[in-house]
Amino acid sequence: AQTVTQSQPEMSVQEAETVTLSCTYDTSENNYYLFWYKQPPSRQMILVIRQEAYKQQNATENRFSVNFQKAAKSFSLKISDSQLGDTAMYFCAFMKPTNTDKLIFGTGTRLQVFP
Amino acid sequence: AAGVIQSPRHLIKEKRETATLKCYPIPRHDTVYWYQQGPGQDPQFLISFYEKMQSDKGSIPDRFSAQQFSDYHSELNMSSLELGDSALYFCASSSPTTPGDEQYFGPGTRLTVT
Repeated sequence: AQTVTQSQPEMSVQEAETVTLSCTYDTSENNYYLFWYKQPPSRQMILVIRQEAYKQQNATENRFSVNFQKAAKSFSLKISDSQLGDTAMYFCAFMKPTNTDKLIFGTGTRLQVFP
Repeated sequence: AAGVIQSPRHLIKEKRETATLKCYPIPRHDTVYWYQQGPGQDPQFLISFYEKMQSDKGSIPDRFSAQQFSDYHSELNMSSLELGDSALYFCASSSPTTPGDEQYFGPGTRLTVT
């Protein structure tokens, strides 16, 4: 069975600074997808970034980038130039590559961005 | 662009009552997933459907049932409600043609059981 671990329950960062959220996972699969979802106070689940395990290149989406270390089963999210609107709960998630597979979430990291 | 629609957005029920949650996936999405997020918890997978057939089942109580209809919308039926069923219920949809099998989440239905 796959598991996802987020060891930082809460993080804080000052506006315009950079913060890194950690995520580790456990799987025997060789191919899979990893995701970071953002859940702001509205509780909407918003996809931030996606990484395919067979791709060595780290995914980047504007101010968001990941550090994917497949051998170490680590998938951290770096937020650059943090903005007040980045304040949210961030969930790391794992999914096997079948078309209909479920997302397995970590317990989340609550990020607070201070002015 | 059309998003996943869930109704109702809020629902208040008493213990032992029944609730029905509805999900309308993005057009041409044939897979629907249901997740339950308790207070302060991460979303937990309940059940999924692909082409109107159940494709996977998670930690869904026997009191809950779900189905996907011919128009691909899905309903989650919850009977004999308990206080612990109070949660945010998400529906998500995807399509085999969606890049990276991305699941698109609806806004959720907040169920409160009193």
